[in-house]
Amino acid sequence: NAGVTQTPKFQVLKTGQSMTLQCAQDMNHNSMYWYRQDPGMGLRLIYYSASEGTTDKGEVPNGYNVSRLNKREFSLRLESAAPSQTSVYFCASSELRNMVNPMSFGPGTRLTVT
Amino acid sequence: SQQGEEDPQALSIQEGENATMNCSYKTSINNLQWYRQNSGRGLVHLILIRSNEREKHSGRLRVTLDTSKKSSSLLITASRAADTASYFCATVRNTGGFKTIFGAGTRLFVKA
Repeated sequence: NAGVTQTPKFQVLKTGQSMTLQCAQDMNHNSMYWYRQDPGMGLRLIYYSASEGTTDKGEVPNGYNVSRLNKREFSLRLESAAPSQTSVYFCASSELRNMVNPMSFGPGTRLTVT
Repeated sequence: SQQGEEDPQALSIQEGENATMNCSYKTSINNLQWYRQNSGRGLVHLILIRSNEREKHSGRLRVTLDTSKKSSSLLITASRAADTASYFCATVRNTGGFKTIFGAGTRLFVKA
């Protein structure tokens, strides 16, 4: 099992460019999440999908959109990148949204916006 | 403000010593989880302790939870160089829907 996979691993964008971060999991998990990690701030939730067909905003959703393509895949889109979106992005999944189950994380995407 | 805050921010010890990291939080929780992150990698789940539990063990890991003080500690016994990583606590509260908050982490360096 590959677990949670993310592409790309690294990306450099110019301000105003758009891109989509891809995430897939092969653990048959119902819930998927997108976090960003900034130095000294821990992880902050951008969007989550409790189950296939649903998405909800997290703590810092502005400037992002998501798509739960199917049970396996959950993508994060930056429509018009800004330097403030320079960060490391992690996708995660869990069996249930109620968080009694731990999350499995992908390896991360390091995004720099210049 | 962050729900979970780890202390210390950084810790450097010799191989074989014990490492203790603390996590404090502000509101009542359903459970508290500890994760490890090696440099440049994703987070890996270590242990989950529920609000009605006081102590859990997993190998060389011991986690305690004191809900009256709203704090938890992670003890790594007989540390190894491979334990060098950042450790995060994540608090899960269930008021107004389940919500998970990660702290900023403790960076542990174990010297061989």
